[in-house]
Amino acid sequence: GDSVTQMEGPVTLSEEACLTINCTYTATGYPSLFWYVQYPGEGLQLLLKATKADDKGSNKGFEATYRKETTSFHLEKGSVQVSDSAVYFCALIRGGYQKVTFGTGTKLQVIP
Amino acid sequence: DTEVTQTPKHLVMGMTNKKSLKCEQHMGHRAMYWYKQKAKKPPELMFVYSYEKLSINESVPSRFSPECPNSSLLNLHLHALQPEDSALYLCASSQDATVWSETQYFGPGTRLLVL
Repeated sequence: GDSVTQMEGPVTLSEEACLTINCTYTATGYPSLFWYVQYPGEGLQLLLKATKADDKGSNKGFEATYRKETTSFHLEKGSVQVSDSAVYFCALIRGGYQKVTFGTGTKLQVIP
Repeated sequence: DTEVTQTPKHLVMGMTNKKSLKCEQHMGHRAMYWYKQKAKKPPELMFVYSYEKLSINESVPSRFSPECPNSSLLNLHLHALQPEDSALYLCASSQDATVWSETQYFGPGTRLLVL
């Protein structure tokens, strides 16, 4: 079946450091790929998405590129802020009725 | 407006109680979802409604009973829950459940504690 693998957290960075959170997936065909963010005590918010190979999703300084050849969708940001501290979920959708397959989540902590 | 609202925000209930969770969206979406999220875990899909019809039930115990009275509203009726059902319950909606590229918009969740 489909699966999403994310790097283990927590990831601790200093403010203004570069961020990369690795995400790889296993799925046949061409799934849609998403990054969601969950701030403490809140629901999930869509951060960005890409729906076909080589698409780049971007939002709030975050970027991720859909790499079919490496089945990856790594999340990157050039300069993180304390306000970026949250849990980040990589996810894919393939198949009917939008059954989402989530990764296990990566907690990011940014210190001043 | 991309808001999904959920009430109540917190709920404490005993194992013999009956309670309901409510979810509402006014984005004209025709698909709505219930997820359960345990601490430090990703959300797990429970139910999918598409055009007000139950399309997916992920083998959820019958003590959870979903209802979709209209295209904007989704309820989750709870009865005779167990302590292990304590979790964050998330509602989501999307334009069309059959389109893979559609974004699911999540509500803030109801944090449920079963005593």
